[in-house]
Amino acid sequence: QQQVRQSPQSLTVWEGETAILNCSYENSAFDYFPWYQQFPGEGPALLISILSVSNKKEDGRFTIFFNKREKKLSLHIADSQPGDSATYFCAARGNNYAQGLTFGLGTRVSVFP
Amino acid sequence: GALVYQYPRRTICKSGTSMRMECQAVGFQATSVAWYRQSPQKTFELIALSTVNSAIKYEQNFTQEKFPISHPNLSFSSMTVLNAYLEDRGLYLCGARDRSSGNTLYFGEGSRLIVV
Repeated sequence: QQQVRQSPQSLTVWEGETAILNCSYENSAFDYFPWYQQFPGEGPALLISILSVSNKKEDGRFTIFFNKREKKLSLHIADSQPGDSATYFCAARGNNYAQGLTFGLGTRVSVFP
Repeated sequence: GALVYQYPRRTICKSGTSMRMECQAVGFQATSVAWYRQSPQKTFELIALSTVNSAIKYEQNFTQEKFPISHPNLSFSSMTVLNAYLEDRGLYLCGARDRSSGNTLYFGEGSRLIVV
């Protein structure tokens, strides 16, 4: 059973639009949620992260909205650029650092100029 | 800044042979090192996790006999895929947790294993 789910599987937006990527999780013990950006042929790079005590985290054009009650979060990419075209992975972990991250299956984003 | 280097980037090996890959954390002290395998079908599978002063913990479906890991210190780790077969194909990622930033897990570029 997939503990971290992402939707949509793929997303196409025009340059300048806002891309919205969704993520939901099963384990209520998860309290740390990083988003990773991965380009083809490269390893995943940490983009932005949020702790469950917050409901919003913003970093430039990237914003995470978090709803603990519904166990849902979303990543908003404002003013999307062609260089944002990549696969984005939502991950989660509990407060035990000895645990690894649990990843979703990713959302492939394509931004057309 | 925090960087994680992995080597080699890509290996083609014959079925039944083995592949060793290395991981080095540069610019920070890694409190834990995790090895993942990324395949198109199964996203990220955690293979094993090692933390300060603890033994290496392997996840279900992964064993030390198949994926032996050596880590003389938490800035350097190596893992070998023994007797590799088609199902072992994928991108092997090393993630190192930065002590100073608490939760942040930095990944290397990965070592891609191709089995022929």
